[in-house]
Amino acid sequence: EAQVTQNPRYLITVTGKKLTVTCSQNMNHEYMSWYRQDPGLGLRQIYYSMNVEVTDKGDVPEGYKVSRKEKRNFPLILESPSPNQTSLYFCASSTGLAGGPYEQYFGPGTRLTVT
Amino acid sequence: KNQVEQSPQSLIILEGKNCTLQCNYTVSPFSNLRWYKQDTGRGPVSLTIMTFSENTKSNGRYTATLDADTKQSSLHITASQLSDSASYICVVSAYGGGGNKLTFGTGTQLKVEL
Repeated sequence: EAQVTQNPRYLITVTGKKLTVTCSQNMNHEYMSWYRQDPGLGLRQIYYSMNVEVTDKGDVPEGYKVSRKEKRNFPLILESPSPNQTSLYFCASSTGLAGGPYEQYFGPGTRLTVT
Repeated sequence: KNQVEQSPQSLIILEGKNCTLQCNYTVSPFSNLRWYKQDTGRGPVSLTIMTFSENTKSNGRYTATLDADTKQSSLHITASQLSDSASYICVVSAYGGGGNKLTFGTGTQLKVEL
């Protein structure tokens, strides 16, 4: 089954403790993105990647890092999480750039709480 | 500043009834517009994608329209079902250097009741 998977689905952590949210897709897509979703704000793009070793900042990249060492994986790293990073995070992949007329497939989401 | 505004913010309808959700945007230069359905606790799922030259697109009981002149789109749901209860998000893409830029609306929360 074609899908985007994320782990963990739920995470509660403390301020400053480094964490990684994994994302994997099995559709051989070149383009992958990370978004956060907050009430009243809609989805906002954090980072995106156009291919292996090619990443770029989205609208809200501060406090986040990403890497793309393999085509299928695109982990999101929070080196020193803070409470304002408490949010619902989505990974997505597509055959073309997310803004183009291509289907974008979203993962199930990771709900992160930073205390 | 690129913006996408959706209305109403929330809507309750009876099963079997039709409804129309609205999306107004000030995104430029326009590339495409898409509607997503997001069930509670799940990731968004694409319903339709429309480019500049398309003014109507259907996906089963969902029909999206686009008026690029007035920068408005609507999503019409026919013969609603309980499973249509979800948030519907309008997303508009603008051409930009290094790749298109997506602007997300905040969604319309639809509840279908018996």
